[in-house]
Amino acid sequence: QQQVKQSPQSLIVQKGGISIINCAYENTAFDYFPWYQQFPGKGPALLIAIRPDVSEKKEGRFTISFNKSAKQFSLHIMDSQPGDSATYFCAARNDYKLSFGAGTTVTVRA
Amino acid sequence: DGGITQSPKYLFRKEGQNVTLSCEQNLNHDAMYWYRQDPGQGLRLIYYSQIVNDFQKGDIAEGYSVSREKKESFPLTVTSAQKNPTAFYLCASSIRTEAYEQYFGPGTRLTVT
Repeated sequence: QQQVKQSPQSLIVQKGGISIINCAYENTAFDYFPWYQQFPGKGPALLIAIRPDVSEKKEGRFTISFNKSAKQFSLHIMDSQPGDSATYFCAARNDYKLSFGAGTTVTVRA
Repeated sequence: DGGITQSPKYLFRKEGQNVTLSCEQNLNHDAMYWYRQDPGQGLRLIYYSQIVNDFQKGDIAEGYSVSREKKESFPLTVTSAQKNPTAFYLCASSIRTEAYEQYFGPGTRLTVT
């Protein structure tokens, strides 16, 4: 049973548009929430991460929004580019381990 | 070049055979992890090791075994007891055992027929 639920499973966005991926969790012991980006045939790479005492973190075109009371967090990709086409995983850390969402495949159409 | 290497990239085995996947890191990281990735299921933790000569089962350890005799190496054996071994296997490491930032290798795709 997945501890972190991620949606949507896939999305298509036009170049320049905004991609939004949502994740939800139940375990309040989670204390660190990273997002990973994975290109086909490669290992995931850390994209951006947030701790639960922060409501928003921005790095370039990527922003995490965190709602502790709702136990939800989301990734926004602004001005989406074809090079952003990849699978994105949210994750949550507890007790030396990361629990991953099922992943969202993002396709950016030129 | 610092990083994590996994070999081979593709591996083919017959059902009933054990197979060992290699993972080496030169990042001087204490902790290492093995994940299995299946379509639509994200990454699931098989085993992890916080220090040399110590490792713990993850969420799906049945049918797998590991060793951690050296800090830089964490091989994974997929045994014949693993019911559905065909998958993409990812090795990762983190500088400390708290697992905040994990760095992943390129993965090994194992196909068992």
